[in-house]
Amino acid sequence: GQQVMQIPQYQHVQEGEDFTTYCNSSTTLSNIQWYKQRPGGHPVFLIQLVKSGEVKKQKRLTFQFGEAKKNSSLHITATQTTDVGTYFCAGYNFNKFYFGSGTKLNVKP
Amino acid sequence: EAQVTQNPRYLITVTGKKLTVTCSQNMNHEYMSWYRQDPGLGLRQIYYSMNVEVTDKGDVPEGYKVSRKEKRNFPLILESPSPNQTSLYFCASSRIIAETQYFGPGTRLLVL
Repeated sequence: GQQVMQIPQYQHVQEGEDFTTYCNSSTTLSNIQWYKQRPGGHPVFLIQLVKSGEVKKQKRLTFQFGEAKKNSSLHITATQTTDVGTYFCAGYNFNKFYFGSGTKLNVKP
Repeated sequence: EAQVTQNPRYLITVTGKKLTVTCSQNMNHEYMSWYRQDPGLGLRQIYYSMNVEVTDKGDVPEGYKVSRKEKRNFPLILESPSPNQTSLYFCASSRIIAETQYFGPGTRLLVL
């Protein structure tokens, strides 16, 4: 079946360092969404990418969708303690969503 | 306030005792979905509904049932719960399929 792999599983950074998480799908996706889940909370939508090669920015966050629409990345520049949480990608195809396993980000002040 | 609500938030039950987790949204969304979240596995889609009376299986539907009799409600039914259904469950909705999903607060279920 369709799978979306996400790496790394964990990332510990010093505040101010950059952070990147990567998602790779076994098949071409219609679109990909990114979510953030704070400890004890529920996933919160960050962004959706639809077009091949699309790049979107939200302040210190940069999202990319690969040319083949099979991979995506989220890059955070100069992390802050408020960035702590687990980041998930969710690939969409044929009415269903396939979530990556998430990258848990810890930021040391 | 636009929101997705789930009840109960926490539930401890025993194997075989039927239970229902309710999900309701007040945003007039067409697409609703149930996920389970387990450590190291991310969120896996159980069932989804594209509109009233239209439901379909997600990735892990075994042992679950759903219904969509009204647009706002999408209950998840476990007819005969087993310990491997111990998990954190999230309901989500979106205006139409493939758009932003809004998640409920989650229901933590323990099946003994």
